[in-house]
Formats: sequence, structure tokens, C-alpha cells
Amino acid sequence: DTAVSQTPKYLVTQMGNDKSIKCEQNLGHDTMYWYKQDSKKFLKIMFSYNNKELIINETVPNRFSPKSPDKAHLNLHINSLELGDSAVYFCASSQVETTTYEQYFGPGTRLTVT
Amino acid sequence: GDSVTQMEGPVTLSEEAFLTINCTYTATGYPSLFWYVQYPGEGLQLLLKATKADDKGSNKGFEATYRKETTSFHLEKGSVQVSDSAVYFCAGVYNFNKFYFGSGTKLNVKP
Repeated sequence: DTAVSQTPKYLVTQMGNDKSIKCEQNLGHDTMYWYKQDSKKFLKIMFSYNNKELIINETVPNRFSPKSPDKAHLNLHINSLELGDSAVYFCASSQVETTTYEQYFGPGTRLTVT
Repeated sequence: GDSVTQMEGPVTLSEEAFLTINCTYTATGYPSLFWYVQYPGEGLQLLLKATKADDKGSNKGFEATYRKETTSFHLEKGSVQVSDSAVYFCAGVYNFNKFYFGSGTKLNVKP
């Protein structure tokens, strides 16, 4: 069973379009994250939700809006896509009560904006 | 501020060579420390972890020891394989909303 899943795996779209990426975890975790990984593999935290409450909201354009309908889902909506948004986006989850806070990552969504 | 720094890559080794990837942290406290591995086209996977000073994490032949005196968590493997080719990330985690990832080190292992 896939622990953290993302859809779609690949997303190719044109500048100016609006798109969404979905994430689901079946680990029973209460915290979920969105990361952006650039072409040099640098990993940047974008958002974090704990029990559906926004916890981390790093400096990202407000064209990016996360939405957590329940603890198992965290979606990422992107408005007015730009060339610089091309990257791989990873969803992750963790459980607060653990003492180690290890994160479990999804397989990633490669977004290409043309 | 708090951060995690790891050696830049790429690191290129021949099969069966010894591997070390350096990782140091700067912290006001004692974070849990992790190594994650990212194989081509995949997400990050937890490789090993250590939660307190002198702990040693190990998995798949990889090891790392949490050294408080040098604020380090270097990743080592005695004999690398081609299948170890991947990007390795060091991370320091205080809690669910305070954590730091290194910039990643790409490892290429040649037959």
C-alpha cells in the first residue's frame, strides 16, 4: 500500500493556467507538508498543516494556495502559472506525537510550465 | 540561525570504494538527525536516524553517528554499489514545524 501518494505524477501546462496537485496519506499522520525541489535538487519547504491548521507558510507567492479538507489530504492549487514554477513538488507527512518527527515523502509531481 | 550543512557534490566513486558524506549542524539545542536518500525519479526515503548524542543510526550498510562535540552526523558506507547512486540529504529536526534539510549530495558510483 502506498503511504503517501500524489496525483498527477507529471503535469505539463502553459503559462497563465491554473492547476492543482493532490496528496493523500494513509499513515494516520496529523501533519502534512508541501516542498518544492528545484533542478539542483534543493528542497524548500512551502507549507505545513497540522490537524488541518496551517502551521508553516514560507515566503511563497500567494498564487500558491494549500487546502486541507481533512487530515489525510493536502492539496496544492497554483494560479497563473509561471515558467519559474517548473519544479518537482513533494508532499510529505509526519506524526506530531512521535519523538523523532520523521517525515514520509510522496513520489513527487514534476510540473513543467511552457 | 539553525541550519544543516552538507558537502557539495557530486561525489563519484568506483564500486566497493569507501563513502563519506559530511554533514554538520548548527543548533541551539539537540535536534534529531536524519539521512534521507532520493533515487532517480523518486521521493525521499528515510535511510537512517539518530535522536540523541552518541546514537548510531544504520541501515543497508550505511552508518552515521550523532556527535555532539563536533556537531556532525557524517554518513559512511564501507563498500558502495552502483545501486547506491542517488542524492543524499541530511536533516535536523526539532519538532514538526522546526526542521532543516541540507542541500543534498549526489553520489555517482561507477562499475
